[in-house]
Amino acid sequence: DAGVTQSPTHLIKTRGQQVTLRCSPKSGHDTVSWYQQALGQGPQFIFQYYEEEERQRGNFPDRFSGHQFPNYSSELNVNALLLGDSALYLCASSFGPINEKLFFGSGTQLSVL
Amino acid sequence: GENVEQHPSTLSVQEGDSAVIKCTYSDSASNYFPWYKQELGKGPQLIIDIRSNVGEKKDQRIAVTLNKTAKHFSLHITETQPEDSAVYFCAASLPSGNTPLVFGKGTRLSVIA
Repeated sequence: DAGVTQSPTHLIKTRGQQVTLRCSPKSGHDTVSWYQQALGQGPQFIFQYYEEEERQRGNFPDRFSGHQFPNYSSELNVNALLLGDSALYLCASSFGPINEKLFFGSGTQLSVL
Repeated sequence: GENVEQHPSTLSVQEGDSAVIKCTYSDSASNYFPWYKQELGKGPQLIIDIRSNVGEKKDQRIAVTLNKTAKHFSLHITETQPEDSAVYFCAASLPSGNTPLVFGKGTRLSVIA
């Protein structure tokens, strides 16, 4: 049983560019949440997708957007990258639009130069 | 919104000793308190969680206690082993399904053999 898978594992971009990160949820899960984890900090909630709609959103600018596909996989897009966007981006899945028993992937390490 | 404080930020213990990590939360309405373990290069993994209607929960060498009056909860690891070395995060969320988990900043636990 595959867990949460994320791609790519590492990514290097320059300021102003755009990036797309991908996530496949754990088998049987239908909800995907995205978190940003800066170095030495706890994960911060970006948004959650359920039934292909954004259900909740954290305190992140509109440069951060997402999408969920019919197979429950999800993408996180970040436009106009800033140096401060450098972080580990984590995807977590669950069964139903809840924030309990979350299963996290290993993340995508994004470096903005 | 909810705010979670976690301490200590680093903790070193001898193998076989106990480790205790403490968290406080600000919103008395919070009712779900998970603990996650994050190893190097991996995403957070849920190790134990507790709801506000329970004062204590135990799973083998790991236990969590909750004091709703004082708004704090603690993780206890007994008979620590080198493989317990990792970063541990506490989190809290409100009852509504529309509120995301709020994480503490983490505790880096080192178990010295």
